[in-house]
Amino acid sequence: GAVVSQHPSRVICKSGTSVKIECRSLDFQATTMFWYRQFPKQSLMLMATSNEGSKATYEQGVEKDKFLINHASLTLSTLTVTSAHPEDSSFYICSARISIGLAGGLGNYNEQFFGPGTRLTVL
Amino acid sequence: AQKITQTQPGMFVQEKEAVTLDCTYDTSDPSYGLFWYKQPSSGEMIFLIYQGSYDQQNATEGRYSLNFQKARKSANLVISASQLGDSAMYFCAMRAGGGNKLTFGTGTQLKVEL
Repeated sequence: GAVVSQHPSRVICKSGTSVKIECRSLDFQATTMFWYRQFPKQSLMLMATSNEGSKATYEQGVEKDKFLINHASLTLSTLTVTSAHPEDSSFYICSARISIGLAGGLGNYNEQFFGPGTRLTVL
Repeated sequence: AQKITQTQPGMFVQEKEAVTLDCTYDTSDPSYGLFWYKQPSSGEMIFLIYQGSYDQQNATEGRYSLNFQKARKSANLVISASQLGDSAMYFCAMRAGGGNKLTFGTGTQLKVEL
């Protein structure tokens, strides 16, 4: 199956520093990747859609200057949390989109495969 | 706008029993897809099952089946023969309107007991 990796899996940093999180599709190419944030015991909230070779599309309320996204290749998207503060502490999950063919040739649908997540703690 | 509602914050089931996790959705788009994901304590999101809005039959994947009732706008997940390893958070999600965005419900924490 499609495998998505994230690095690092866990990071602790001081307030004011920047943290880069990598998301890689290991066995497929992904023109589109997604970045989600999940606070404890809450659901996943989409932050932005990362498009290879173009600017990311941010969801309403997400600061694009704070959460920098770069999708420089078909297998790698990076999320940089700039000048991190304690309120940025969260679980960040990426996903990569892949097209799945339906049985019997009945077309296809887009599936998202998720990375294992990165737990960010800002002190 | 799309909305997913999961009304069960937590569920308990005994090992080997079947359990149904509820999910209702709301969308005005005629074309949409419904997904269920499992999130163990380690955090990764594991895709379980998919149902398209035009699919005539309920989706099944091993011990997972989706009880799709279009008129009621519900897409409940049924897990048969529960195992201890099924203990996790379960999220229902929807994608509608031909877009890429997945909208997630608030999740149900399932605990399988001996």
